Amino acid sequence: DVKVTQSSRYLVKRTGEKVFLECVQDMDHENMFWYRQDPGLGLRLIYFSYDVKMKEKGDIPEGYSVSREKKERFSLILESASTNQTSMYLCASSLNRQLEAFFGQGTRLTVV
Amino acid sequence: DAKTTQPPSMDCAEGRAANLPCNHSTISGNEYVYWYRQIHSQGPQYIIHGLKNNETNEMASLIITEDRKSSTLILPHATLRDTAVYYCIVRVREGGKLIFGQGTELSVKP
Repeated sequence: DVKVTQSSRYLVKRTGEKVFLECVQDMDHENMFWYRQDPGLGLRLIYFSYDVKMKEKGDIPEGYSVSREKKERFSLILESASTNQTSMYLCASSLNRQLEAFFGQGTRLTVV
Repeated sequence: DAKTTQPPSMDCAEGRAANLPCNHSTISGNEYVYWYRQIHSQGPQYIIHGLKNNETNEMASLIITEDRKSSTLILPHATLRDTAVYYCIVRVREGGKLIFGQGTELSVKP
């Protein structure tokens, strides 16, 4: 089975902190994605990557950056966390652009 | 990517078939219909996808109308564990992003 692992299930950070959310997949997938999920707004795509060192903006990239130095790892970075970035963050991966995506369990981030 | 419209919520009796509709009237010829579900506090889970033919796997069946403007996801014998939010997504197969809408909250009741 494909496994997408997010480093933390719950995280609490202070406003202004730099935050790293890590995601690792173990099936050699080319594509990786970061979403955030908020009540009433559904899942919104932040960034995605089709290959190592490649990244593309999703629908809401402001306030975020990403890093893909290795194929199996896709990191989401909040350069200076703000309270409006309190959310559930979901990582996903897929083998190539054609196939279905597999999601991690999510990281619930609270910024205080 | 085309937009989809789903009812916000549905109920289904345990053991009965759950039929979840989705409208995608602006779908174009190279766009596929994907279904995912999200059980509370978990990440979304892929269920099935199709282009124009009906599809079936171990989880569900997907019925797509001939004009492709709507589809129905069928869970043949719903169980309490099928209670979840179900998302219908339309995307191009090559490079298309998964854009999630609000989905349908399915409640399976004993």
